[in-house]
Amino acid sequence: QQQVKQSPQSLIVQKGGISIINCAYENTAFDYFPWYQQFPGKGPALLIAIRPDVSEKKEGRFTISFNKSAKQFSLHIMDSQPGDSATYFCAASGKETSGSRLTFGEGTQLTVNP
Amino acid sequence: KAGVTQTPRYLIKTRGQQVTLSCSPISGHRSVSWYQQTPGQGLQFLFEYFSETQRNKGNFPGRFSGRQFSNSRSEMNVSTLELGDSALYLCASSSSRGMGYTFGSGTRLTVV
Repeated sequence: QQQVKQSPQSLIVQKGGISIINCAYENTAFDYFPWYQQFPGKGPALLIAIRPDVSEKKEGRFTISFNKSAKQFSLHIMDSQPGDSATYFCAASGKETSGSRLTFGEGTQLTVNP
Repeated sequence: KAGVTQTPRYLIKTRGQQVTLSCSPISGHRSVSWYQQTPGQGLQFLFEYFSETQRNKGNFPGRFSGRQFSNSRSEMNVSTLELGDSALYLCASSSSRGMGYTFGSGTRLTVV
C-alpha cells in the first residue's frame, strides 16, 4: 500500500513539445505529492509539489494535475527543452510519518531532442 | 545559502568493512532524511532524524544506522558491508518535517 507507480519508464519528446509523466498511488493517507528532477551525478531537486485540496498547480512550464478520486497525478512539461533532459521522480508522503518519509516512483528518463 | 553537503563524494570499501557517511544540512534545517538509490530498487527511505531523535525508519537491516548531532549534522553508518550495499546514498534536509526536502549530491559507495 506504500507504492507509487510511475509511467512511462522512458520518454522521448521533440523540442517545444509537451512531456507528460503519470503516477498512481494506493495509500489514501498520502497528502503531499512532490516531483523531483535529477541530473546525472546530482541529487534529486524539488521541482513542484501539490496537496490534495487542489486539482492543478502550475509553476512556469511545469504543471501538476491531481485526481484524488482516481488516486493519480501527473507532471506536464510545456515547451520542453533539451535542458529538461533528466530523470523525473514522483513521490508521496503522508501524515502517518509527519510527511517526512517520501515514497518515490520508479523514475522516468526524459530525453528532449533538439 | 549553502546547500546540503555530503562527504565523501565517492568511497570504495571491501566487503565486511564498515563505513560512515556524513551530511551537513542547510543551515536552520532540523529534519534530515537518508535515502539509498540503486538502479534496481530506485530511491528507498532509510531513516529520518529530527532534533537528534530517529523519527522514522525504513525497511533496512540493523546494519544500517544513523545519528544526528545538536547542530543537525547527521551521519549514517553501515556495518559488515555487503556487495549489495553499493549505491548512491542521499541525504535530504528540511526546515520542518513534511515540508519540501532538499537533497545533497550524495555519496557513491562501491563495495568490492
